[in-house]
Amino acid sequence: GIQVEQSPPDLILQEGANSTLRCNFSDSVNNLQWFHQNPWGQLINLFYIPSGTKQNGRLSATTVATERYSLLYISSSQTTDSGVYFCAFFPRAGSYQLTFGKGTKLSVIP
Amino acid sequence: DGGITQSPKYLFRKEGQNVTLSCEQNLNHDAMYWYRQDPGQGLRLIYYSQIVNDFQKGDIAEGYSVSREKKESFPLTVTSAQKNPTAFYLCASKAGLARNTGELFFGEGSRLTVL
Repeated sequence: GIQVEQSPPDLILQEGANSTLRCNFSDSVNNLQWFHQNPWGQLINLFYIPSGTKQNGRLSATTVATERYSLLYISSSQTTDSGVYFCAFFPRAGSYQLTFGKGTKLSVIP
Repeated sequence: DGGITQSPKYLFRKEGQNVTLSCEQNLNHDAMYWYRQDPGQGLRLIYYSQIVNDFQKGDIAEGYSVSREKKESFPLTVTSAQKNPTAFYLCASKAGLARNTGELFFGEGSRLTVL
């Protein structure tokens, strides 16, 4: 199956700092999404971004499907940004199963 | 508001008992999914359903059962045959009948603890 790698696995930021999270995948994918799992476990949709760039407030995401990666940018980080960030996608070969990366655990400290 | 409602949020069960987790969505989505998450781990697919009265096993279906009698409802039963049922369970849904396109949305999850 398609391999997915998220980096870095862990990240500690001072409040106000910027960061870039990366998701690499080994083959063509559909449907790339970024999620934030908050400390209570809820998975929150951040971006549905099969290709191109989108922005939502302090967050933005870019997917370059031809080069098989997606980036999530967090600017001016806040303590509420803490949690785990997952990328997920459907393999283009018709799988019903959304494949998740292992996540980046972000801790924002005051 | 449209969304996915899971209940209960927390559940304790004695060994040997079956338990049913509820998942209801009012998004008019066709596909629904159940995932399991263990501490520090990613999500693993238990079952999914593309349409009413049809569902398919995921990677870890053993010890679980589902039904899809209504479009908006996809309950998951954790049976006594599930060897290690303590976990966080997440229900998701997606619009459209295509298997591999569309955006997934998740409920808030149900945390099951077996005593």
